[in-house]
Amino acid sequence: GDSVTQMEGPVTLSEEAFLTINCTYTATGYPSLFWYVQYPGEGLQLLLKATKADDKGSNKGFEATYRKETTSFHLEKGSVQVSDSAVYFCALKQAAGNKLTFGGGTRVLVKP
Amino acid sequence: ETGVTQSPTHLIKTRGQQVTLRCSSQSGHNTVSWYQQALGQGPQFIFQYYREEENGRGNFPPRFSGLQFPNYSSELNVNALELDDSALYLCASSFRGGTYEQYFGPGTRLTVT
Repeated sequence: GDSVTQMEGPVTLSEEAFLTINCTYTATGYPSLFWYVQYPGEGLQLLLKATKADDKGSNKGFEATYRKETTSFHLEKGSVQVSDSAVYFCALKQAAGNKLTFGGGTRVLVKP
Repeated sequence: ETGVTQSPTHLIKTRGQQVTLRCSSQSGHNTVSWYQQALGQGPQFIFQYYREEENGRGNFPPRFSGLQFPNYSSELNVNALELDDSALYLCASSFRGGTYEQYFGPGTRLTVT
């Protein structure tokens, strides 16, 4: 079945540092890929998405590129802020399917 | 535009009891999905409802059941609660026929003692 693997956290950074969170997936066909963010005590918020190979999703300074050849969708941000402290989830959805398959999440802590 | 809402926020139940969680979809959405998020893990798909019928189910036993109402709101029912049912339960709504993006509510934290 489909699966998503993320780098384990926590990832601790200083403000204005560069952030990368690795995400790889196993799936048949061409799923859509997503990054969700979960702030403390809250539900999930869609951060960005990509629906086909080589698409780049971007939002709030975050970017991720759908790499079919490496089955990856790594999340990057050039300069993090304390407010970016959260848990980040990579997820996929098959075109014909009705569910999101999530990775285990990566906790990011940004220190001033 | 009203987002996805869930009630209650927190709930404490005893093993063997039954619980009902509620979800109101985002305006304009016709599909509701439920996920279970254990502490420190990613959400796991429980099931989805569309047109008041179950439209896909994850690897959860039959004691997890649901309903969708004509106004697209939904309930998740769990019978014979077990300690491992303690988790954050997330509801997500989407519009079938559109981009199918799922928008999540804040969740209900269920603790089974």
